[in-house]
Amino acid sequence: DGGITQSPKYLFRKEGQNVTLSCEQNLNHDAMYWYRQDPGQGLRLIYYSQIVNDFQKGDIAEGYSVSREKKESFPLTVTSAQKNPTAFYLCASSNRVSPLHFGNGTRLTVT
Amino acid sequence: GQQLNQSPQSMFIQEGEDVSMNCTSSSIFNTWLWYKQDPGEGPVLLIALYKAGELTSNGRLTAQFGITRKDSFLNISASIPSDVGIYFCAGLLDNNDMRFGAGTRLTVKP
Repeated sequence: DGGITQSPKYLFRKEGQNVTLSCEQNLNHDAMYWYRQDPGQGLRLIYYSQIVNDFQKGDIAEGYSVSREKKESFPLTVTSAQKNPTAFYLCASSNRVSPLHFGNGTRLTVT
Repeated sequence: GQQLNQSPQSMFIQEGEDVSMNCTSSSIFNTWLWYKQDPGEGPVLLIALYKAGELTSNGRLTAQFGITRKDSFLNISASIPSDVGIYFCAGLLDNNDMRFGAGTRLTVKP
């Protein structure tokens, strides 16, 4: 079955540590996205990539970094520079004929 | 960026009742999407709308793309307990930016 896999589902880190969230898709979608979800707010775009080896900052890119070395993979690194990293992170993908499909999310808790 | 105005924020209804929620914006969209999200899970696409005025159904769900292209609504008829969750809208702008509503939290009492 085609889909988007995010791992791990839950992640705990100490403040000051970088952490990388995994996102893999086998839908053959060109575009991939990372969103942050906080209670009572709409999804906010962190980074997106329309094609391999290219990515763009979204609305809240500060403190995050990404790479897109393979079409299937779009990992997100939450760096120690991100002031409020505890959140639910959603990865998504799409192409010209398919609307946004989401993974099941990673809940990151930083203490 | 400006998010969508989604209302209501939450609804508490009795099983069997109909539900209506909507999203509005001052911007013009070329696509409207409606998603449902269960706690701790990713959103699942319910309905996609691509043309102004389009009315689309998916089982007990019906959604419409507003004629002004600035709004959309979602109706759920004859609600059942498994309809519980957060519903949110998403709109795609001409520049391919996607904007999201904050969600409507639906509780269905048996």
